[in-house]
Amino acid sequence: DAGVIQSPRHEVTEMGQEVTLRCKPISGHNSLFWYRQTMMRGLELLIYFNNNVPIDDSGMPEDRFSAKMPNASFSTLKIQPSEPRDSAVYFCASRRSAGNGYTFGSGTRLTVV
Amino acid sequence: GIQVEQSPPDLILQEGANSTLRCNFSDSVNNLQWFHQNPWGQLINLFYIPSGTKQNGRLSATTVATERYSLLYISSSQTTDSGVYFCAVPSGSTDKLIFGTGTRLQVFP
Repeated sequence: DAGVIQSPRHEVTEMGQEVTLRCKPISGHNSLFWYRQTMMRGLELLIYFNNNVPIDDSGMPEDRFSAKMPNASFSTLKIQPSEPRDSAVYFCASRRSAGNGYTFGSGTRLTVV
Repeated sequence: GIQVEQSPPDLILQEGANSTLRCNFSDSVNNLQWFHQNPWGQLINLFYIPSGTKQNGRLSATTVATERYSLLYISSSQTTDSGVYFCAVPSGSTDKLIFGTGTRLQVFP
């Protein structure tokens, strides 16, 4: 079990550029979650999927953010255009089913300059 | 929404000491997790503990769901225990995991 795999580990980009973060959940896990961590706001849920279907995207800050899960083994979080206030660590997590714990990836540290 | 409070916010220990971290939550929950975020930023799952007591090596956790709190015990602390400890509970009947503000632990040799 390789765990939840996120890429890239670090991303530095200029304001206005498109950023795509990637996540591969643990095989057999049915739920996938995208979180963002900042000093000011702590860990916040952005969006989550059950069986590849988006269930709750109320945490997505604005239309510049979008997430997809085209199949059970891959998800992307896209920011277009990026802004300096998007700088944060973005975590992906997966879970087998309700009644089980979450497993987090190592995160992507995004810096927008 | 549900509120999750952790105490103490900061804890400084010498290697070998024991400690107890507390997590209070404002509503009934059907699961609770403890995580350790190490100095490299990785979030590591310690316990999935909706109720009762679990132990894993020097760490143990107890959740008293009826009284809306959970405790994390660290015995014989080591410098590698340093980092931030989070508890997290679901919001209502959703899958949305709400994190507490964390306890920052520093263990010195």
